[in-house]
Amino acid sequence: AQKITQTQPGMFVQEKEAVTLDCTYDTSDQSYGLFWYKQPSSGEMIFLIYQGSYDEQNATEGRYSLNFQKARKSANLVISASQLGDSAMYFCAMREGWGTGTASKLTFGTGTRLQVTL
Amino acid sequence: GAVVSQHPSRVICKSGTSVKIECRSLDFQATTMFWYRQFPKQSLMLMATSNEGSKATYEQGVEKDKFLINHASLTLSTLTVTSAHPEDSSFYICSATSQGKNIQYFGAGTRLSVL
Repeated sequence: AQKITQTQPGMFVQEKEAVTLDCTYDTSDQSYGLFWYKQPSSGEMIFLIYQGSYDEQNATEGRYSLNFQKARKSANLVISASQLGDSAMYFCAMREGWGTGTASKLTFGTGTRLQVTL
Repeated sequence: GAVVSQHPSRVICKSGTSVKIECRSLDFQATTMFWYRQFPKQSLMLMATSNEGSKATYEQGVEKDKFLINHASLTLSTLTVTSAHPEDSSFYICSATSQGKNIQYFGAGTRLSVL
């Protein structure tokens, strides 16, 4: 069963506007982490933000914030004040076994292509 | 964030040859490295998990003898695609992390084209 679901294959946003990229997840673990990565056309995966399942406050990193709704099992990425350079693929990912001290794998969603327009 | 270097960024080779891809953590000791494969317009699929000093753990369906992984030091892991064929053409990307780190940091990826 798919554990990370990104239902928006593509999104458009005007420059300087805010945009929300959706991500829902499924896990039976109590401890897990949720991540967002950006992949520009060059292919590199750039870490943006993460949220631990026990974190009570939503994570923020500059223009990025993670809208974590545990009961709904959603971890949406909000990008404020979009810039042309934000155009890229965005992947949501989950890591189970959070806080166990071991480095466990990431499971990725299918991604959302964001296009920022003038 | 931490820096992970991956080399080469692009390689074109003839069918039947072997190709080695290197993944280095430049500013931290990576106890664990991961190797992913990404087909065009698709997500990343984990191939194997590599812990320093031990044998890699491969995901189901990934051929161990085809994709040789070595993680001999805390800063270097290598993936060797042996006897590459056109169907092995893909984008390969590594990530590195260490115990206690929450984040996997990725290399820039290697685009392999097998003729």
